[in-house]
Formats: sequence, C-alpha cells, structure tokens
Amino acid sequence: DTQMTQSPSSLSASVGDRVTITCQASQDISNLLNWYHQKPGKAPKLLIYDASSLKAGVPSRFSGTGSGTHFTFTISSLQPEDIGTYSCQQFDNLPYTFGQGTKLEIK
Amino acid sequence: QVQLQESGPGLVKPSETLSLTCTVSGGSIGSSYWNWFRQSPGKGLEWIGYIYNSGRTEYNLSLKSRVTMSLDTSKNQFSLKLSSVTAADTAMYYCASLRAVTGTGWFDPWGQGILVTVSS
Repeated sequence: DTQMTQSPSSLSASVGDRVTITCQASQDISNLLNWYHQKPGKAPKLLIYDASSLKAGVPSRFSGTGSGTHFTFTISSLQPEDIGTYSCQQFDNLPYTFGQGTKLEIK
Repeated sequence: QVQLQESGPGLVKPSETLSLTCTVSGGSIGSSYWNWFRQSPGKGLEWIGYIYNSGRTEYNLSLKSRVTMSLDTSKNQFSLKLSSVTAADTAMYYCASLRAVTGTGWFDPWGQGILVTVSS
C-alpha cells in the first residue's frame, strides 16, 4: 500500500495567515493526489484534485502543488470557516489511501 | 446535484454483520463507481472498496475477506456488509461517488456519514 504522510498533524494560525501543509507519498504517484477538507462532525469535501486543480466553486485562496512523492497544500489567507481537518489522498494505485490528516485551528 | 445518504443500524453486536445502505438522489446510480469509507475515532480515512454499475467490485485487501458490496438500481441504492465485526470496526462510515476520468479520479460528493458502534 502507498503510505501518505502529512505534516504537521495539527496547527494553529491566525485569520489572514498563510498556511501550508505537506503530504509525502511512499512511492511515486505522479500528480494523482487530492485534498479534502472536513469540518468537525461533517463529511469530507473535495477541494483540489490532480494535485493542483481547484474544484469549481472552491475559493481561490486554496491551492496545491507537487508531483511524484512531495505535495503541498496552501491557504493564502486563513478565514474562520477554514477550521477543520485537511487530508491528502492518492489515486495512483489500490487501495486508495489517505494521510492521517492535519487539524487546523484558529488562534 | 447528486446527493448521498447513509442509513442502517448504529449499534451492532460483536461477531455479527454490519449492514449499511447508501441512497443516491439527484442522479442515476448506473453511471459511477460507488464507494465506502470509514474513519475510526481520531484516525484517518480508510477506503473500504467500491462497486461499479456493472456489479464489478474492488475491495481493500485488509477487509476483503469480510466485505460484500451490492447494488440495487431499482432503488438507486448500494450497500455494504461487513461480517464478523469487532470493536475495531467501530467507526464513522461514509459513502461517496468516485469521479473517474481517464487515468485519474477523486471522491465527490460524500454522504454525511453514519456512526456505527460495535458493542454487546
């Protein structure tokens, strides 16, 4: 199985801050990497697919980069509604696997 | 807009079979890969498997011996059965659609989830 390792596991930032989360794959997954946001008690929602493509309707403050084994997710200006857990997920091979999640809080 | 909704018992006894159903509205079930996931308390998401409209399935090998998925196109529903459950199967279970494009894909949308507790 492809292991997905996210860092940090949690972070606290202020409104307006730039926030960056990284995701490392245990093997080359090309750009087959998706990012999801999960608010407490809610289902995951897709934000970015294919490492850098923003889902329609998702605010442009969210972005993603990377390919191969190293990926980055960025929020350019943190908003209060961005709290929750962010998870990366690889689509290169079965079983589809997720990172352990990054819990984001507002300071 | 496709929407998914999980349903089923919230409490299952150890050694019994967990049975969940996902109802699809706003679209046809005959046109996608339909997936199940779970998330144990404090842990990351785990993909359980999918069923395609042809009835073809793929399961996570870690659960394969205990998992069965099925499709009911007349009701626009798909189902998950997980046998011989233990406390380790206590989790929030989600269904989701896989948007598959040549060579790539992503999970969207998701159901709201259902908490299943395994306890006597």
